[in-house]
Amino acid sequence: KQEVTQIPAALSVPEGENLVLNCSFTDSAIYNLQWFRQDPGKGLTSLLLIQSSQREQTSGRLNASLDKSSGRSTLYIAASQPGDSATYLCAVYPGSGNTGKLIFGQGTTLQVKP
Amino acid sequence: GAGVSQSPSNKVTEKGKDVELRCDPISGHTALYWYRQSLGQGLEFLIYFQGNSAPDKSGLPSDRFSAERTGGSVSTLTIQRTQQEDSAVYLCASSKTGTTNEKLFFGSGTQLSVL
Repeated sequence: KQEVTQIPAALSVPEGENLVLNCSFTDSAIYNLQWFRQDPGKGLTSLLLIQSSQREQTSGRLNASLDKSSGRSTLYIAASQPGDSATYLCAVYPGSGNTGKLIFGQGTTLQVKP
Repeated sequence: GAGVSQSPSNKVTEKGKDVELRCDPISGHTALYWYRQSLGQGLEFLIYFQGNSAPDKSGLPSDRFSAERTGGSVSTLTIQRTQQEDSAVYLCASSKTGTTNEKLFFGSGTQLSVL
C-alpha cells in the first residue's frame, strides 16, 4: 500500500531564507508526483507536477526534484517571503489504473516571519 | 466558470440528518473528483467521475455516502444519516480529461460539522 510522508510537519523560518521541504513515498511505481499549496480555509493550488520520467521541475522561486528509485521528493523554496506561509502537500499518482486517486502526505505547515 | 465552485461553504447539521454537497467544475472539464480532508487523516480520495460515470468509487467510506454527476457537469455528494465522524472538509477537484499527467484544480471546499 502506497504511503506518503512529509517531514517536517511544521517549519518556521525568517524571511529571505532558502528552505527545503521533504516528501517520501513507499512504492516507487508512480505516474507522477505533485506539490500543492493550501492556504487556511481554501482549497489546494497545484504548484508543480513532476512526471515519473523527469528529475525536476521549476516555477519561479520553486524547484521540485524527484528521485523515484529512492522514493523521495524535495520542494526547494528560494528567498522565502511571508506570502509563502501556507501548508504544502505532496501527492503521488499510483502507477496502476487511471482513477484520479492521488495519495497525499499530511503536509508541512510553513511560516515565514517578516 | 473560472474555477471550481462548491456550495455551501459551511454546513452545520444534526446527527442523523441527510446532507447534499454541490460541486460545479471548471467548464469543459470531463473529470471530477471528491476528496475529504479531516484532522488526523489528511486528504482521502472518495470518488472519481469521467463524464457522468464513476469508474472508481472505492474511497466512499460507507453506503451512507453516494455521489452523482449529471450532464457531465455539476456533481452532488450526498451523505445520509450523518454521523459525527463525517465532520470534515469535503473538497472537489476537476481536470480537463482525467489523464494521469494533468493538474487537478480544487475548489475551496465545504466544511461539514455534524453535531
